[in-house]
Amino acid sequence: KNEVEQSPQNLTAQEGEFITINCSYSVGISALHWLQQHPGGGIVSLFMLSSGKKKHGRLIATINIQEKHSSLHITASHPRDSAVYICAVTRGGATNKLIFGTGTLLAVQP
Amino acid sequence: DTAVSQTPKYLVTQMGNDKSIKCEQNLGHDTMYWYKQDSKKFLKIMFSYNNKELIINETVPNRFSPKSPDKAHLNLHINSLELGDSAVYFCASSQGRTGSQYFGAGTRLSVL
Repeated sequence: KNEVEQSPQNLTAQEGEFITINCSYSVGISALHWLQQHPGGGIVSLFMLSSGKKKHGRLIATINIQEKHSSLHITASHPRDSAVYICAVTRGGATNKLIFGTGTLLAVQP
Repeated sequence: DTAVSQTPKYLVTQMGNDKSIKCEQNLGHDTMYWYKQDSKKFLKIMFSYNNKELIINETVPNRFSPKSPDKAHLNLHINSLELGDSAVYFCASSQGRTGSQYFGAGTRLSVL
């Protein structure tokens, strides 16, 4: 079992819908990251958070440290949001390495 | 200017060959990483350097050798390439070990 689990694995939405992607982790962390990987392959860091909530444009990320759970929300989804969304955690300690979830493939249809 | 640049973007080679992938960042970061993304799109850390010092060395065959000539560069050399080495390799950098990571565009390695 992965230390970082995401759901759903695949998600198809209609343009304009509100989208939620969930991430659960089973280890102690110093931070949680949401990354976006477009079909072309490039990876972009969307959020890094260790508590509460962050918002950037139509994207909102929340984290509940007690429940070891984070959600990524996309409001008013658009076909250009179609990508793989990856949750990752940093374990802290001397190395602070990233441990990745398996990703959620999102397709937003016009 | 690209913040984290990797070369080459594509690399096709025969089994047994030795190849290198280069990575450079112009963000002034002091920490750099190599990740491998397998055919199922799963990302995994391979190496990390902080101020040219190796701080993460995951269970990677010793055919893989990272080299950091300075804080802005982290190269990956692979000896005796095997079919299973085929993957996309991503370089990334961050300021400190806790900063947000910035990724390169990836190098798609195909071993025939």
